[in-house]
Amino acid sequence: AQSVTQLDSQVPVFEEAPVELRCNYSSSVSVYLFWYVQYPNQGLQLLLKYLSGSTLVKGINGFEAEFNKSQTSFHLRKPSVHISDTAEYFCAVSDQRYSTLTFGKGTMLLVSP
Amino acid sequence: EAEVAQSPRYKITEKSQAVAFWCDPISGHATLYWYRQILGQGPELLVQFQDESVVDDSQLPKDRFSAERLKGVDSTLKIQPAELGDSAMYLCASSFSGRATDTQYFGPGTRLTVL
Repeated sequence: AQSVTQLDSQVPVFEEAPVELRCNYSSSVSVYLFWYVQYPNQGLQLLLKYLSGSTLVKGINGFEAEFNKSQTSFHLRKPSVHISDTAEYFCAVSDQRYSTLTFGKGTMLLVSP
Repeated sequence: EAEVAQSPRYKITEKSQAVAFWCDPISGHATLYWYRQILGQGPELLVQFQDESVVDDSQLPKDRFSAERLKGVDSTLKIQPAELGDSAMYLCASSFSGRATDTQYFGPGTRLTVL
């Protein structure tokens, strides 16, 4: 079975500082990895996804993530955050055997001035 | 830009009452998903449709929950009777084909409060 662990429930950061949101996954087969963002009382929006190829994936709003197979990680990074990046971020996994998404519990990014 | 539509956005009901949620996926998307998101948690799949057929409803509490997608387009999720523990955000999503590599597009959700 698949599982996703997001190691931090909250990450406070000051505006214009860099940020990394951590995600580890567990699966016995080749995986596909996703990061979604959720603003208050809204649905989820895809930031980026890794399917194959280059392990560094660039997404919307200046976010990027790196797939590390040996460490089973897919950490999300942004070099300089804005107040508007305050939201909940979810890491999710699917694989060739189980096509539906399994989500982590989420990380709340709190950006302050 | 095409979006997934859901209604109502908010629903307050008393326990033992019946509630229903509606979802209209992006046009042309064959696969439709219903998720439940409890406060502070990630979404959990309740049911997945491929066209009008149920592909996965293993996590759907079938004694009180039902879902249908009769014409393979829009869908309704029903709870009868509602219980206090059903308070959550109910999210609908759709994807083009349901493959593991597909992006799922989410609607704004229905926030259910059971009193």
